[in-house]
Amino acid sequence: GESVGLHLPTLSVQEGDNSIINCAYSNSASDYFIWYKQESGKGPQFIIDIRSNMDKRQGQRVTVLLNKTVKHLSLQIAATQPGDSAVYFCAENRNSGYALNFGKGTSLLVTP
Amino acid sequence: EAQVTQNPRYLITVTGKKLTVTCSQNMNHEYMSWYRQDPGLGLRQIYYSMNVEVTDKGDVPEGYKVSRKEKRNFPLILESPSPNQTSLYFCASSFMSQMGAQQKGYTFGSGTRLTVV
Repeated sequence: GESVGLHLPTLSVQEGDNSIINCAYSNSASDYFIWYKQESGKGPQFIIDIRSNMDKRQGQRVTVLLNKTVKHLSLQIAATQPGDSAVYFCAENRNSGYALNFGKGTSLLVTP
Repeated sequence: EAQVTQNPRYLITVTGKKLTVTCSQNMNHEYMSWYRQDPGLGLRQIYYSMNVEVTDKGDVPEGYKVSRKEKRNFPLILESPSPNQTSLYFCASSFMSQMGAQQKGYTFGSGTRLTVV
């Protein structure tokens, strides 16, 4: 079936470096993608989204890149800080409608 | 503050004892949904609702019930909990756009950690 997956389950980066978290999706009909951040003991929080008619979108210290040709999504975090340590999920809408299909998550650990 | 509120945050119960996890949102969202989160399996949808009195099954509905009698509330009911329902549960809500598809993503509650012994 259709799925959203992540290339790496864990990522360790040094404070101040840039982080890149990757996500592959298989549903070519998906037209809306979201990145969520989940800190320990909390629910997922919206970071940034992107529509399929765009290939790049920037927020504060974060950039999402979408490559529809290879069905790949990435989240770039600039100047990673200790507060960025969390699990990051990508999500796609499923064949339109309101249901979101979530990837299994990448754990980002920021070391001093 | 715009939020989704779940209660309780933690619950330990015994097999077969009916329980309800409450969910309330103050954003006037039409769409509400329940997810469970398990290690290695990610977030899986249990049930969702697109409006008052309109509910439908998600990917893993077995053993769960929901109701949507008011727009702001969407309780999750476990009539006869079993140990395989031990999990972390999240309620989420979102707007429904006129385009008929997800536009803004979900707002999640803080989660309910349920243990069934």
